[in-house]
Amino acid sequence: QKEVEQNSGPLSVPEGAIASLNCTYSDRVSQSFFWYRQYSGKSPELIMSIYSNGDKEDGRFTAQLNKASQYVSLLIRDSQPSDSATYLCALVGGGNKLTFGTGTQLKVEL
Amino acid sequence: GEEVAQTPKHLVRGEGQKAKLYCAPIKGHSYVFWYQQVLKNEFKFLISFQNENVFDETGMPKERFSAKCLPNSPCSLEIQATKLEDSAVYFCASSPGSGRRETQYFGPGTRLLVL
Repeated sequence: QKEVEQNSGPLSVPEGAIASLNCTYSDRVSQSFFWYRQYSGKSPELIMSIYSNGDKEDGRFTAQLNKASQYVSLLIRDSQPSDSATYLCALVGGGNKLTFGTGTQLKVEL
Repeated sequence: GEEVAQTPKHLVRGEGQKAKLYCAPIKGHSYVFWYQQVLKNEFKFLISFQNENVFDETGMPKERFSAKCLPNSPCSLEIQATKLEDSAVYFCASSPGSGRRETQYFGPGTRLLVL
């Protein structure tokens, strides 16, 4: 089992809809989680970080963490074509290195 | 600087040649991380530094890979005798501290192609 699992997609949503991206992890002691967005040919950029159970909102983005079930999700409200990218879920492991999932490709269609 | 800088953007090497990549972290950041991204999305941690000291090298293939962060110089990642499977994008990231909540900021990457 991989440490961080994501559905590779593509996940297609119409413009204006809510996109829901999910991630599960295997290490129960993980405490810090990050969502990065990566456009094709570019570097990852941080969208959200979450450390406590529950929801964390920032603009159109909401991250949700459930440590008991070992999943993290990212909701994108009012999806725009510019949100089309690969979304990477990452957790902090030993030595503070990031362990990434393989990413979910999101396509927002006009 | 305000961004992580990486050079070169692209690097092409014949199999068996040496490749050297450079990274300048954000000014004031003490930690530098190197990651390798292959097959589109598979990220692999290679090595991290706290200033000029190796912090974690558990991901480094030590036979051919080496890295340094020297004072007043960009950090470097060197691959001796490159192999086809080394073709990847190599990202450098930096963070201000070592806490588990510290954000890592990524550079633009160096795309290495081994022919």
